[in-house]
Amino acid sequence: DVKVTQSSRYLVKRTGEKVFLECVQDMDHENMFWYRQDPGLGLRLIYFSYDVKMKEKGDIPEGYSVSREKKERFSLILESASTNQTSMYLCASSWSISRSGQPQHFGDGTRLSIL
Amino acid sequence: KQEVTQIPAALSVPEGENLVLNCSFTDSAIYNLQWFRQDPGKGLTSLLLIQSSQREQTSGRLNASLDKSSGRSTLYIAASQPGDSATYLCAVKTDQAGTALIFGKGTTLSVSS
Repeated sequence: DVKVTQSSRYLVKRTGEKVFLECVQDMDHENMFWYRQDPGLGLRLIYFSYDVKMKEKGDIPEGYSVSREKKERFSLILESASTNQTSMYLCASSWSISRSGQPQHFGDGTRLSIL
Repeated sequence: KQEVTQIPAALSVPEGENLVLNCSFTDSAIYNLQWFRQDPGKGLTSLLLIQSSQREQTSGRLNASLDKSSGRSTLYIAASQPGDSATYLCAVKTDQAGTALIFGKGTTLSVSS
């Protein structure tokens, strides 16, 4: 089975802090994604990566950056955390274009609170 | 811009009932459609994926259908159980390039014993 592991289930940080959310997948997937999920708004894409060191902005990239130095790991960075970034963050991975029929697999999520 | 809608937002049924969850999308030019389950406070579990060339997929008590021309998909759950209680999300992939999914806001299902 595919395993997507997010480093923290719950995280509490203060405004202005730099926050790192980590995600690791064990299936050698080329694509990795970061979403946030908010009540009434559903899931929205922040960033995705289709290869090591490659990244593309999603629908709501403002205030975030990402890092993919190794194929299995995709990090989401909140440069200067703000209260409106309090949310559930979900990481996902999938095969590349050549096998793009394959489903996306999600981690258990990180519930982040910014105080 | 592709939009995905799920109606109803919430559904309550007694155990044993067969039920249908609905998903509609505005642009029929999709690459595939995926159904997920989400338990409270947890991540998403993939249930079924239907390619644009397919009409349905089945897994156990679950059957998902796809009608691209009308922009609709349904998830049929047979003989519902309390353990089926969760939020069900559908999502469409709009092109072959490895971009992300566009999600509906989900239907929250409650099955009472």
